[in-house]
Amino acid sequence: GAVVSQHPSWVICKSGTSVKIECRSLDFQATTMFWYRQFPKQSLMLMATSNEGSKATYEQGVEKDKFLINHASLTLSTLTVTSAHPEDSSFYICSARVVSGSAYNEQFFGPGTRLTVL
Amino acid sequence: AQSVTQLDSHVSVSEGTPVLLRCNYSSSYSPSLFWYVQHPNKGLQLLLKYTSAATLVKGINGFEAEFKKSETSFHLTKPSAHMSDAAEYFCVVTINQAGTALIFGKGTTLSVSS
Repeated sequence: GAVVSQHPSWVICKSGTSVKIECRSLDFQATTMFWYRQFPKQSLMLMATSNEGSKATYEQGVEKDKFLINHASLTLSTLTVTSAHPEDSSFYICSARVVSGSAYNEQFFGPGTRLTVL
Repeated sequence: AQSVTQLDSHVSVSEGTPVLLRCNYSSSYSPSLFWYVQHPNKGLQLLLKYTSAATLVKGINGFEAEFKKSETSFHLTKPSAHMSDAAEYFCVVTINQAGTALIFGKGTTLSVSS
């Protein structure tokens, strides 16, 4: 099946620093990837839709200047949390949408990245 | 507007007994529906999906779900719980006809006791 990886799996940083999280589709090309945020014991909330070669589409209430998304290739999307603060601490999960084959339109999820901002 | 409601935040069962996790949805069109499982500090794993084919969907690890349009439900069941089934379960529905965006239920924590 389709595999999506994320790197790093866990990052701890000081307040004010920027952190980049990578999301890769390992065995398929993904023109569309999604970024979600999950608070402890809560559900996933869609932050933004990442489109290869164009600007990301952000959900209402998500600061685009805070959460920079770049989808420069068909297998890689990056989320950069700029000037991170403790309230940005969360579990960030990406997914990639399959556009061909038997799993058409299905989203495959990465294992998540835990961000802790001190 | 599309929405999904998981009726129980926490379900506790004994090993070997049946599992029922309830999910209701609201949609203005025929949606695609999914159940995902998340183990602690892990990513999401797809258990099963409904995409307008057979209403009874069989998934991995012995789970199945039945799409009931008249009841707008998509409940997840398993005949016999295993300790390894303890996890968080999310019912998910597509929010557009293209199926490119998802909304997640709030999740149901399944506990399995020996």
